Amino acid sequence: DIVMTQSPDSLAVSLGERATINCKSSQSVLNSSNNKNYLAWYQQKPGQSPKLLIYWASTRESGVPDRFSGSGSGTDFTLTISSLQAEDVAVYYCQQFFGTPITFGGGTKVDIK
Amino acid sequence: EVQLLESGGGLVQPGGSQRLSCAASGFTFSHYWMYWIRQAPGKGLVWVSSIDYDGSVTTYADSVKGRFTISRDNAKNTLYLQINSLRAEDTALYFCARVAGAGAINLWGQGTLVTVSS
Repeated sequence: DIVMTQSPDSLAVSLGERATINCKSSQSVLNSSNNKNYLAWYQQKPGQSPKLLIYWASTRESGVPDRFSGSGSGTDFTLTISSLQAEDVAVYYCQQFFGTPITFGGGTKVDIK
Repeated sequence: EVQLLESGGGLVQPGGSQRLSCAASGFTFSHYWMYWIRQAPGKGLVWVSSIDYDGSVTTYADSVKGRFTISRDNAKNTLYLQINSLRAEDTALYFCARVAGAGAINLWGQGTLVTVSS
């Protein structure tokens, strides 16, 4: 199985500041035939189900604010919230869909400082 | 409205069984692979099982293989998970989830809680 490792486990950022979450896969999730990274990011607010933010490592899902961006390739990926808002308090998960089974990172909790 | 609505969770004794259901609405259910994903209290997300468009291809996590069975009824727009021989470690919120083209999950239900305890 592909192991997804997120860091940090938690972070606290001031409103309006940048938040950066890292995700590393135990093997590449880049499909060389289409040059796409099979990596998604989800946001789970307290008491809610997860919500898709980013897929193909950097493509924003429809309706997701542009302060959320994804980057990286191969085994190393980053989710950036450019200007943290109060409504962004949540746990964020990365997920690979390159191999079976799909696997998730352990999650990163984002709070307001 | 596009949504998934799970039901069937509850308190069950170790060794017991339960059938979870997920009613889909607002989209063409038969056009999508579906997943069951679970989340133990205070923990992360874990894939449990997958099913293809018509139920001919199913896969399971090693931890549930032989005990859980995924199925679907496209005429009823409903996904199922039969869970047998339940253990304490199966206690979790079970989400059904719609799979986008390549494997990202673009729609989640609200989850149904299964608690295994005597």
